[in-house]
Amino acid sequence: EEQLLESGGGLVHSGGSLRLSCAASGFAFSSYAMSWVRQAPGKGLEWVSAVSGSGDNTYYADSVRGRFTISRDNSKNTLYVQMNSLRVEDTAVYYCAKAYFPSYYYYGLDVWGQGTTVTVSS
Amino acid sequence: QSALTQPPSVSGSPGQSVTISCTGTISDVGTYNRVSWYQQPPGAAPKLLIYEVSNRPSGVPDRFSGSKSGNTASLTISGLQAEDEADYYCSSYTSSSPHVVFGGGTKLTVL
Repeated sequence: EEQLLESGGGLVHSGGSLRLSCAASGFAFSSYAMSWVRQAPGKGLEWVSAVSGSGDNTYYADSVRGRFTISRDNSKNTLYVQMNSLRVEDTAVYYCAKAYFPSYYYYGLDVWGQGTTVTVSS
Repeated sequence: QSALTQPPSVSGSPGQSVTISCTGTISDVGTYNRVSWYQQPPGAAPKLLIYEVSNRPSGVPDRFSGSKSGNTASLTISGLQAEDEADYYCSSYTSSSPHVVFGGGTKLTVL
């Protein structure tokens, strides 16, 4: 069974940093692009960032570009996002998700983790 | 980029059909057959229901169907069941970087 398990969420002050992890199992992790998608309390889904299967190519939403860095360790089947200069508006549940089509993070996400909560206080 | 436009809420009775719309532009829904739909039950993670406008991943019941006309995609749920009560989101490829945009979500209430 394909599974994703996020960790690393927590409470941080505005301006602080946090690193989220996402452990993958049940599929050929290195073959698939991966994304982070977040959901602020009571709000809709917002795509945040993606990385190609090799890790060579990264993509960011305008709202996080320059502050967040996505990466992956294919030897550990793990996806990361380093979040710096956090703002109150970054408060959300963060989900990692697997691309349905291996090379295309924007054509659908078919496996999602349960999410990890990030709270940024002022 | 701007989010795709969905109605905030829809409702229907068990056994009925409901349709949720997702309106974009010529830069996304109108040009590319790369619309996805997701179901998110309360307190749960999203689940992929439809990809490429009308295709269902393995395990998704055929009560869920997708279509597109012009700049608007639609998700139709037939034979409504109580378990279908959830939030539904559309997403599309867009020509603008970073190439993915979500709709604002629609809450489905089964009466």
